[in-house]
Formats: sequence, C-alpha cells, structure tokens
Amino acid sequence: AQSVTQPDIHITVSEGASLELRCNYSYGATPYLFWYVQSPGQGLQLLLKYFSGDTLVQGIKGFEAEFKRSQSSFNLRKPSVHWSDAAEYFCAVGAAGNNDMRFGAGTRLTVKP
Amino acid sequence: NAGVTQTPKFQVLKTGQSMTLQCAQDMNHEYMSWYRQDPGMGLRLIHYSVGAGITDQGEVPNGYNVSRSTTEDFPLRLLSAAPSQTSVYFCASRLILNTGELFFGEGSRLTVL
Repeated sequence: AQSVTQPDIHITVSEGASLELRCNYSYGATPYLFWYVQSPGQGLQLLLKYFSGDTLVQGIKGFEAEFKRSQSSFNLRKPSVHWSDAAEYFCAVGAAGNNDMRFGAGTRLTVKP
Repeated sequence: NAGVTQTPKFQVLKTGQSMTLQCAQDMNHEYMSWYRQDPGMGLRLIHYSVGAGITDQGEVPNGYNVSRSTTEDFPLRLLSAAPSQTSVYFCASRLILNTGELFFGEGSRLTVL
C-alpha cells in the first residue's frame, strides 16, 4: 500500500518569509499527489493536486508544489507567508482506480508576526 | 451549498455504548468515506463506499460498521465503543471518476470514557 511521510511535525516561520513543507511518498505505480489544509476546528480543503504533466503545480492561496519522481517528493512552497496561513497541512497520495487515499501525519504551521 | 454534513459535532460516550455518526452529501458523489484523525497519525481510512449497496474496508475498520442505502447518506456505526475510538471523525466524498479532490465534512469529535 502507498504511504506518505511528512518529516516536520511543526514549523514556525515569520510573516513574509518563504515556506517549504516537505512530503515524501511511497507508491509502486504513478501516484496522484495532493496537499490539503486544515484550519482549527474545520475539515480539510484541497490546496492543489498533481496527476500528470507539468511537475510544478499551482494551487489556491498562492501555494505551489513540485513533483520530483527521482526523490519521491512533493514539497509545498509559498514565497511569502501570511498570518492567515497558520494551519495544519496534509500531504496525501492516491492513484487511478485506487480508493484508498493515504494521508501523512500533517505539519502544523505557526506564523510569527 | 451544504456539501458534506456530519452530525453530531461532539459526542461523549461511555465504554460499551453504541452510536451512529451521520454523514450526508448533496453533490451526488458516488464515493463516500470515513476517516479518523488522531494526533501524530494523520487521517486513516476506516471504510469507504463507491455506491449504494457497496462498501469496503479501509486501513482501520475494526470496531466500525457502515452501510450505504442511498447515494446521499453514509452512516458510521460504533456497536460497542472503546476508549481507543476517541478521535475526530471525518466524512469525505468525491465523484467516482475523479480520483482527485475529496470534499470533507467539518468533523465529529468523539470521546469515549
């Protein structure tokens, strides 16, 4: 079965600084990769997804992620973080015809003023 | 736009009691699923369904039952609650042909004493 590792449990950045959240996956076939964001007390919202094609994908709220097959990674980036970006971020992996989407343990982002 | 609606939002049970978490979606999604979220564990798939009358087990199905009698509803049943089932539960749905975006409910926080 596929699996996802998010090495950073908690990250703190200053407002205006750049952000990179790491995600590594394990899957034998071509993966579908996702980043979701969860604000406190809320469900998860999709930020962006990668199925195929251009390995740099753009998402909502100014986020982007790059798929690197050689490194089995799908890191999330944002050039300038806003205080409203404070939340928990989850990386997930799925595949065509596979109904079992696996999530990482999440990375909690704190934004300092 | 209701999307995915979960009830109740909060519930406290005693060990051995039974209860049902309700999930309804109004987007005509064939696929529905239940996840549990625990600190440091991310989201883990409990059960899923790809249509009325069809259900299957996910990663952590023990102690939970599901049924799917209509496209809209996918209740999760705990027949004899245990403290290990204390968690936040999320229902999610998507179109079956889209192995992509899951739409999540706001979650149900369950405490088993």
